[in-house]
Amino acid sequence: KNEVEQSPQNLTAQEGEFITINCSYSVGISALHWLQQHPGGGIVSLFMLSSGKKKHGRLIATINIQEKHSSLHITASHPRDSAVYICAVYMNYGGSQGNLIFGKGTKLSVKP
Amino acid sequence: DTGVSQNPRHKITKRGQNVTFRCDPISEHNRLYWYRQTLGQGPEFLTYFQNEAQLEKSRLLSDRFSAERPKGSFSTLEIQRTEQGDSAMYLCASSFNREGYTFGSGTRLTVV
Repeated sequence: KNEVEQSPQNLTAQEGEFITINCSYSVGISALHWLQQHPGGGIVSLFMLSSGKKKHGRLIATINIQEKHSSLHITASHPRDSAVYICAVYMNYGGSQGNLIFGKGTKLSVKP
Repeated sequence: DTGVSQNPRHKITKRGQNVTFRCDPISEHNRLYWYRQTLGQGPEFLTYFQNEAQLEKSRLLSDRFSAERPKGSFSTLEIQRTEQGDSAMYLCASSFNREGYTFGSGTRLTVV
């Protein structure tokens, strides 16, 4: 079992729809990243959060540390939002504090 | 360009050859990370540096892999005696402690 699980793996939406991508993790963490990866492209960090909620434009990220769960929401989705969205966590123990542990990603396709 | 730069973007090599990749991080960043990503998977941690010190290495990093960051600035990742299973996207990222986490565009390695 992966330490970081995302759902769904694939998501197809119509332009304008509200989208939610979920991330659950099984380890203690100090912070969580939401990342965006376009086909053939590098990875862009959207948010890093350790509690509560952050908003940037049409993107909202929330985290519940007690429930070990985070969500990424996209309001008024647009075809340019089509990408792979990856959840990654910083563990808060031992020698793994320097690196991120990644989920497998959620592939989002927004149709016009 | 003040982002993370990786060279080359693509590398095709014959099995058994050695390859070396370079990563130039954001100049103010003290941490530099190497990850490997295969198709349909999230990135997997390989190693990371804080300044010139290599602080952590994944068990994925076999003895054919070596990474250096001699002056605490750019880093190189060398793979000796490449195997077909080494074919992947190799991603570099940098941060200042855990802030400003930024990825490069990656080097895609194909071993034929």
